[in-house]
Formats: sequence, structure tokens, C-alpha cells
Amino acid sequence: QSVLTQPPSASGTPGQRVTISCSGLTSNIGIQYVYWYQQLPGTAPKLLIYRNNQRPSGVPDRFSGSKSGTSASLAISGLRSEDEADYFCAAWGESLSGPWVFGGGTKLTVL
Amino acid sequence: QVQLVQSGAEVKKPGSSVKVSCKASGGTVSTFAISWLRQTPGQGLEWMGQIIPVSGMTTYAQKFQGRLTITADESTTTVYMELSSLRSEGTAVYYCARLGPYFDYWGQGTLVTVSS
Repeated sequence: QSVLTQPPSASGTPGQRVTISCSGLTSNIGIQYVYWYQQLPGTAPKLLIYRNNQRPSGVPDRFSGSKSGTSASLAISGLRSEDEADYFCAAWGESLSGPWVFGGGTKLTVL
Repeated sequence: QVQLVQSGAEVKKPGSSVKVSCKASGGTVSTFAISWLRQTPGQGLEWMGQIIPVSGMTTYAQKFQGRLTITADESTTTVYMELSSLRSEGTAVYYCARLGPYFDYWGQGTLVTVSS
């Protein structure tokens, strides 16, 4: 079981806006930054959002992140077929699994 | 641009050990922590431990204490992860990743299959 909770799946049609949620606790999301990663099939995760809402260079502004209390969200606007991937959230927060905790991942399907 | 290249897939029997390597090139890694994480379909991503190569300082998740050893060879810019007493639930893709202050560069992943 993952420490952070994400919906297992999400879907949308091209051009739509979709959001993916990530729920945690005060000890992790509540007081720490949230990060979002995109993982295409068979590849390593790629950083999409850091420090709640910052985009690394090269990540399109269609991707945005937000945080409120113990929850965070990733929004993808102008959905494209190449956005079909797994998305997972991460945060610093002590647990038996160490100082980093992760969501179980959300499989995004572009219909 | 930092590149992390991991060793190839492994098949191991329960109770044995596996050692996976992660070779860094193209940028600074010795002063950053290199973490090892694993990913399974059922459990998602899990942080296992890390090393700061320049100092050799290691930190391990409580879950893996006593079974996990992470070492670094600065001369070859390679970090190693050795996990002993493998169990069937250890079947996973194992990743190395540079941490500074988030996981910004990742290896390609190494599939370790634990099966009798």
C-alpha cells in the first residue's frame, strides 16, 4: 500500500483538461513540497512538477501543479495522445519506507 | 547532462542476493545523494536507501535494514546496490536516481525477478 493516495486511473479526450489528485497527511504533503512524475511505458520516471507548482525547463505549461492542505493536484490541459502515461506524486515525509513517500500512480488514458 | 546507466536484468532464487550497478557520467554526482528505489505493480514506488559518494555516508529505509548494502566507487563513478535474502516479493524494477533536492536524474531501471 502506498503512503500517498491517488486514483488508479483517469481518462480524457484530446483537448480536454484532466486533474489527478494526491492525498496525504500533515506529516508529508501538509508540510512538505509535492513532486509529480510522468512515466511512459517501459521508461524511467521523468520530473514534471517540483516544489508543488514549478515546472523544470522543457516541460510544457499545459502541466500545472497545486497544493492545498494535505492534498495536491496535477492538471493537464489541452490533452494530447502522448500524455498517455502513468503519473505519480512524491513528497518528503518519514515512514517505515524511509524519508520519501509516493503515490501508487494514476494511469492516464487518452480516449 | 547527467546520465545514469544501470546493469542488466537478473533472475535470482529466493534466499540469494543481487547486486545492481549504476554508472554515472556527464555531470556531478559525487556530492549528491544517489538513491535506490524499487517499483512493483502492486506497491508502486518505494525508496530503499541512498549514499553520498564523496563521503560514503549511507541511509537505509528501516524496512531494508540488515539486508541492503549501498556502496560507491568514486574512481569509476559507479554506485552499487546489493540486496540479500531475496524473497518473491522482491521481484521489481530497481532504479537509481540522483537526489538533489528531488529525484532529477534516473537510471533506466533493472528488472530483478525472484523465482525458484
